[in-house]
Amino acid sequence: KAGVTQTPRYLIKTRGQQVTLSCSPISGHRSVSWYQQTPGQGLQFLFEYFSETQRNKGNFPGRFSGRQFSNSRSEMNVSTLELGDSALYLCASSLGDREYEQYFGPGTRLTVT
Amino acid sequence: AQSVSQHNHHVILSEAASLELGCNYSYGGTVNLFWYVQYPGQHLQLLLKYFSGDPLVKGIKGFEAEFIKSKFSFNLRKPSVQWSDTAEYFCAVLPGRRALTFGSGTRLQVQP
Repeated sequence: KAGVTQTPRYLIKTRGQQVTLSCSPISGHRSVSWYQQTPGQGLQFLFEYFSETQRNKGNFPGRFSGRQFSNSRSEMNVSTLELGDSALYLCASSLGDREYEQYFGPGTRLTVT
Repeated sequence: AQSVSQHNHHVILSEAASLELGCNYSYGGTVNLFWYVQYPGQHLQLLLKYFSGDPLVKGIKGFEAEFIKSKFSFNLRKPSVQWSDTAEYFCAVLPGRRALTFGSGTRLQVQP
């Protein structure tokens, strides 16, 4: 089985712009979660989508949004980028059942200048 | 606040030394527990998991972890580390149907 893929792998954006990141889960996985990883804050949960519905949401401002498509692929959008949004954004997929484990993608490295 | 604590931020060991990384959580009720590893330049990989049953779980590459419910702990162990174990290790807790919460990570450096 192919693993979780994320595109693009690297992005450089300017403050105030918006960005869209994409995640393709492992085939058959219905849940996709997004995390932000920074040296200072570590791994922080952004949101989880399951069957096209947001199931859980972390403590991030409304500038961070996401969606999931019928094929379970997910996108994450950040509007009005700030310097502090520079981070590695990780996507993880799982079957979505009660006892599940998440499989992580390689991440998208976003740099905001 | 509910959290996951990893007590050791940076551990330096020589090859063949034994390893124990601490993890404590503050969630009540049923939880699922995980250890993930991030090797330099690679993505997060699952080392081992605990859902229920035997509190001593074995994972890949000779790692094991013990769930002690009374202590809210899930410590990671390996009897003899290798240079290739150099990585960052993350404990994670899944409480109920809520989000997976990670500890701050422990950077392990194994010296040959």
